[in-house]
Amino acid sequence: DAGVIQSPRHEVTEMGQEVTLRCKPISGHNSLFWYRQTMMRGLELLIYFNNNVPIDDSGMPEDRFSAKMPNASFSTLKIQPSEPRDSAVYFCASTWSSGGASEQYFGPGTRLTVT
Amino acid sequence: DAKTTQPNSMESNEEEPVHLPCNHSTISGTDYIHWYRQLPSQGPEYVIHGLTSNVNNRMASLAIAEDRKSSTLILHRATLRDAAVYYCILRDIAGNQFYFGTGTSLTVIP
Repeated sequence: DAGVIQSPRHEVTEMGQEVTLRCKPISGHNSLFWYRQTMMRGLELLIYFNNNVPIDDSGMPEDRFSAKMPNASFSTLKIQPSEPRDSAVYFCASTWSSGGASEQYFGPGTRLTVT
Repeated sequence: DAKTTQPNSMESNEEEPVHLPCNHSTISGTDYIHWYRQLPSQGPEYVIHGLTSNVNNRMASLAIAEDRKSSTLILHRATLRDAAVYYCILRDIAGNQFYFGTGTSLTVIP
C-alpha cells in the first residue's frame, strides 16, 4: 500500500489567498484525521471523520478553516482567507476503525507558508 | 479531558535500554494508552498501544502501572535511528482523541 498521500508537499501563498490541502487515506480505512503542527503549539488535532462524516471539529481554529470528505478516498482542508499565522505543517492520518484501539497512519505532511 | 505529562527531553547511550515515562493521572477505565514517535521532518509513526496489560511488539514494550495512572515505553536497545520525539496519548473506547502534548525528545548518544 502507498500509505497516506498528501498533496501538495509544500505550499507557499500570500496572505488572503485560498489554500486547499488534499489527503488520500489508506484504502479500507474508515476514519480520517487532520492535524496541524507548529513549534509553539505542537501537534493539534483539527478535525476527524468517521465513515466520511465529521465527528469532532472542535479543534478547527476558526471559520476560515473548513474540511470535507466527499468519499472514502479523499478529503480536503481549506483555508480561506489564509493568514501568516496559519503557517504550519498539516498532517493527515487514517485508521481502520473509529475505536480507541486502532493505530493511526500519518501522511508525510504539507508544509504551508503564508507570507 | 484526560491529558498526559512527559519529560521534555531524555538522553540515552546507543545500544542501552531506554525507559520513557508518561503520567496520565486522569485516565478513565476505557482509555487506551498509545505511543507514537516522530522522526525529524516526518509524520508521526505508531509505536505501540495498550489498555491494562503490558504489551510487546517488534518496536518496543509498554509497561502500564497497575492503577493505570502512568506508563513507560521501553526501547530495549536504543539505536541512532530511535532519536525522535515520543508522544504518549490517550484515546477513549469510542476513538475520541486527546492531546499529543509536547512529547519527549530522545537523543541517542553514539
